[in-house]
Amino acid sequence: ETGVTQTPRHLVMGMTNKKSLKCEQHLGHNAMYWYKQSAKKPLELMFVYNFKEQTENNSVPSRFSPECPNSSHLFLHLHTLQPEDSALYLCASSQDSGTSGGFRETQYFGPGTRLLVL
Amino acid sequence: AQTVTQSQPEMSVQEAETVTLSCTYDTSENNYYLFWYKQPPSRQMILVIRQEAYKQQNATENRFSVNFQKAAKSFSLKISDSQLGDTAMYFCAFQGYGGSQGNLIFGKGTKLSVKP
Repeated sequence: ETGVTQTPRHLVMGMTNKKSLKCEQHLGHNAMYWYKQSAKKPLELMFVYNFKEQTENNSVPSRFSPECPNSSHLFLHLHTLQPEDSALYLCASSQDSGTSGGFRETQYFGPGTRLLVL
Repeated sequence: AQTVTQSQPEMSVQEAETVTLSCTYDTSENNYYLFWYKQPPSRQMILVIRQEAYKQQNATENRFSVNFQKAAKSFSLKISDSQLGDTAMYFCAFQGYGGSQGNLIFGKGTKLSVKP
């Protein structure tokens, strides 16, 4: 699979579990994003990374912990989640995130991880 | 703050027919991008088409075209010769200029069903 890949595609976890979502982009991009997609709500941006540095945290609770070891990989570590955190988590990448001014390049999305918190 | 509104939660169209999905947005910026993304049941969010606000010419991509009315802040998507594979959620998105203003702001989506 090319482009942006995400694993696992489905995840069920209890509220006391610790799990991680993985995203990998094969596009040579420098910026990566985490989004949350809940039913009947618009996509919500969670985090932005540009050249491995976090540039935005959109007031996300600390039970979500992102990690970006390099420009190709992005993780979302999950700990002590709540049932309302159940959603589709989408990863995206772009050439850059526009932090130096100018428009952000077009974002390309992965297939998402469907998360269910019991 | 920018907002994006898709007023049609669901639509259906017969195969080979034409359908238009509506999108309006609100912004005080003059320079921005607008997007249509498609999310089929496989959940992969796929870029359909992109429009730069300073370009008066409407963007086209094969069977997909937009009607961009900047003054009216309207950005509709026309799908010609609809195919069964066009069945998906369609999201309209706005992107401003620079830093956090460049975040994609999505509408709630329109669920399109193409019927044989």
